[in-house]
Amino acid sequence: QQKVQQSPESLTVSEGAMASLNCTFSDRSSDNFRWYRQHSGKGLEVLVSIFSDGEKEEGSFTAHLNRASLHVFLHIREPQPSDSALYLCAVSIQGGRALIFGTGTTVSVSP
Amino acid sequence: DPKIIQKPKYLVAVTGSEKILICEQYLGHNAMYWYRQSAKKPLEFMFSYSYQKLMDNQTASSRFQPQSSKKNHLDLQITALKPDDSATYFCASSQDRHSDYTFGSGTRLLVI
Repeated sequence: QQKVQQSPESLTVSEGAMASLNCTFSDRSSDNFRWYRQHSGKGLEVLVSIFSDGEKEEGSFTAHLNRASLHVFLHIREPQPSDSALYLCAVSIQGGRALIFGTGTTVSVSP
Repeated sequence: DPKIIQKPKYLVAVTGSEKILICEQYLGHNAMYWYRQSAKKPLEFMFSYSYQKLMDNQTASSRFQPQSSKKNHLDLQITALKPDDSATYFCASSQDRHSDYTFGSGTRLLVI
């Protein structure tokens, strides 16, 4: 069964510094990878979706997928205090509809 | 304007009672989903529907029953409520598995 793990559990960065989040998955047939953000008490906001190895940029967010190493990374360029939130990685296997989520990384951006 | 409407936003229920969580999407999507977010646990997939048909069910308990009266509706009926059912329930929709999944703002359920 697919396992999705995220690290670190929490991360504090200074405003403007790069933030890097890691997500590992266990099923090599995974082909669908998404990063979401959830502000406290709110719903999920999609940041970037990636379906093939390499990088994909959406605004200040860049996802980097390496399926051979079972990793997908999220880099946040020049984060602002408003980027403080829970960041969630979600993965689905080939042909699957279910998104399997990691437990998240709580990012705090200090001014 | 919210594209996915979930009602109610907050719900308090007594153990053993039954509740229905409402979800409507105005995105024209063909697929709809339910997820649950409990304290200290990852967001958990529950059901997927496509063209009003149940496609995936990852919920072990038959106390959870999705109901789709229209293509853009997917309600969730929960019977014999237990305190462990306390969670935020999110509805989502997508056009297909490669397009964006849009999530609603959730229904926060507390069972006492």
